Amino acid sequence: DTGVSQNPRHKITKRGQNVTFRCDPISEHNRLYWYRQTLGQGPEFLTYFQNEAQLEKSRLLSDRFSAERPKGSFSTLEIQRTEQGDSAMYLCASSSNRGRTNEKLFFGSGTQLSVL
Amino acid sequence: GIQVEQSPPDLILQEGANSTLRCNFSDSVNNLQWFHQNPWGQLINLFYIPSGTKQNGRLSATTVATERYSLLYISSSQTTDSGVYFCAVGGYSTLTFGKGTMLLVSP
Repeated sequence: DTGVSQNPRHKITKRGQNVTFRCDPISEHNRLYWYRQTLGQGPEFLTYFQNEAQLEKSRLLSDRFSAERPKGSFSTLEIQRTEQGDSAMYLCASSSNRGRTNEKLFFGSGTQLSVL
Repeated sequence: GIQVEQSPPDLILQEGANSTLRCNFSDSVNNLQWFHQNPWGQLINLFYIPSGTKQNGRLSATTVATERYSLLYISSSQTTDSGVYFCAVGGYSTLTFGKGTMLLVSP
């Protein structure tokens, strides 16, 4: 078990460009989450998947953001037409939830996005 | 949505001291987890504790779900305990995080 893996670790882009991040969850975990964190704040929920189904998206999530988990394994988060306000740490997490139970959430190291 | 308040916002300790961090939440929950974000930004899960008490080494946590609060105890603090401690609460899907308690343990 290598934990939750995210890449790239850092991404610098110019305003208006598209960016894509990848997350590989812990292999036996069926749930995958994307969070965003800015300086001095706690992580903010963006969206989550159970297997390949995207079950919930934050109302704060712009239409420029899209996420996929095509085979219920890795996930990608794409931001189109990036804005300076998108600069943040993008965190991926995974957990194993069976039925109506919860288990611990495990986070990756994140992708730090800087939009110039 | 659910509100999560953590206190104190900042805490400075001498190595060896004990501390208590508090998390209040505004609605009933069936999921509560404590995390430590180290100075390199990695979030480490400390406890899954929607109710009751758990201990792991020098750390312990207690959640009183009926009164909507949770406490994280750190005993005999070490410099490696420095970082930000987050409480996160929710239901069977997503977690809402508080703003955290920033802890600095000096030698």
